Amino acid sequence: ELKVEQNPLFLSMQEGKNYTIYCNYSTTSDRLYWYRQDPGKSLESLFVLLSNGAVKQEGRLMASLDTKARLSTLHITAAVHDLSATYFCAGTTGNQFYFGTGTSLTVIP
Amino acid sequence: EAGVAQSPRYKIIEKRQSVAFWCNPISGHATLYWYQQILGQGPKLLIQFQNNGVVDDSQLPKDRFSAERLKGVDSTLKIQPAKLEDSAVYLCASRRTRSREIGETQYFGPGTRLLVL
Repeated sequence: ELKVEQNPLFLSMQEGKNYTIYCNYSTTSDRLYWYRQDPGKSLESLFVLLSNGAVKQEGRLMASLDTKARLSTLHITAAVHDLSATYFCAGTTGNQFYFGTGTSLTVIP
Repeated sequence: EAGVAQSPRYKIIEKRQSVAFWCNPISGHATLYWYQQILGQGPKLLIQFQNNGVVDDSQLPKDRFSAERLKGVDSTLKIQPAKLEDSAVYLCASRRTRSREIGETQYFGPGTRLLVL
């Protein structure tokens, strides 16, 4: 079974600062996904990373994948309050998705 | 395009009672997933359907949980009897294709929040 670990679990950062969330996985994953979940809401897809070296960017978020290190990162640039949410990464084997425990991000004005 | 629909949104029951959740996936999506998300954790897959067939139900507690997807569209998830530890959000997600060659993401419904007293 694919194990997915995220760190940190909780992150409090000031507006305008940069930070990185890390996602490690235990065995080969076909793909790597990032999701966002606002309190009391469902999950929203952010990025799909298909291969080694893949990099995707949307606004202040940038995700990358290193399959050799079994590591994906989600980099936040110049954080703003609207980015406060819980971020999940998920790996896949076959068609089954395995989610990390999530990183709860709070951006402080 | 309409998203994944789920009902009810909230449910409170007593332990040993039964409960059922309903999911309507995005039109044309062949793959449907049910997840259990306990507070503070990531979603855990319970069952995966491809059209109306079960692909993976290895983590479904079959002594009390059951699910079906008649006609390959809507799906229901049932718990009978419920236990206190079943308190969680039950998320339904759908995906257009099962193919590994396409980086298709899942689209999640709003979830059903279950509280077992």
